[in-house]
Amino acid sequence: EVQLVESGGALVQPGGSLRVSCAVSGFTFTTYWMTWVRQAPGKGLEWVANINQDGSEKNYVDSVKGRFTVSRDNADNSLYLQMNSLRAEDTGVYYCVRGGWYPDYWGQGTLVTVSS
Amino acid sequence: AIRMTQSPTSVSASTGDRVTITCRASQGISSDLAWYQQKPGKAPKLLMYAASTLQTGVPSRFGGSESGTDFTLTISSLQSEDFATYYCQQYYTYPRTFGQGTRVEL
Repeated sequence: EVQLVESGGALVQPGGSLRVSCAVSGFTFTTYWMTWVRQAPGKGLEWVANINQDGSEKNYVDSVKGRFTVSRDNADNSLYLQMNSLRAEDTGVYYCVRGGWYPDYWGQGTLVTVSS
Repeated sequence: AIRMTQSPTSVSASTGDRVTITCRASQGISSDLAWYQQKPGKAPKLLMYAASTLQTGVPSRFGGSESGTDFTLTISSLQSEDFATYYCQQYYTYPRTFGQGTRVEL
């Protein structure tokens, strides 16, 4: 069974940093692109970033470029999103999803709240 | 970035109704479009990709079509479990972008 389990969400002050993680199981992690998608409270979905199988290619939405870094540890079947210089508008549920084009499996999400 | 515009924003319907949701891309995206269903408090679920290819396990009452930069999701006979919010997403280029969502409500 494919499983993606996010963790690390928290309340952070504006300007702060946070790393969210995603532990995956049930599929061969090394053969898939992986993606982060977020959803602000009561709002729609926003694609954030993705990463290819060996971590050599990464893509970001403009609003997070230079602040967020996506990475993966293939030995540990884990995906990460390092978020720096956090802003109030970064608040939301962050979903770890499998795939780089049309993600087919989603985690349950982890809530990041940026507020003073 | 490619803008994806869904219409309507919300639709009121009854069980058994035929429901149509449209997604318009601001530029050509070939057939690189997916549809997702999201229920309150849950993660989205992939329904369809390549504009009209059903994901495994998705009921055949869901259908997709395209005409140029206009894409349509049709639910042929609405069931109780279909009341949810639906999103389109282009994967033709970066950044991937979603439509704003269409809520299907009773």
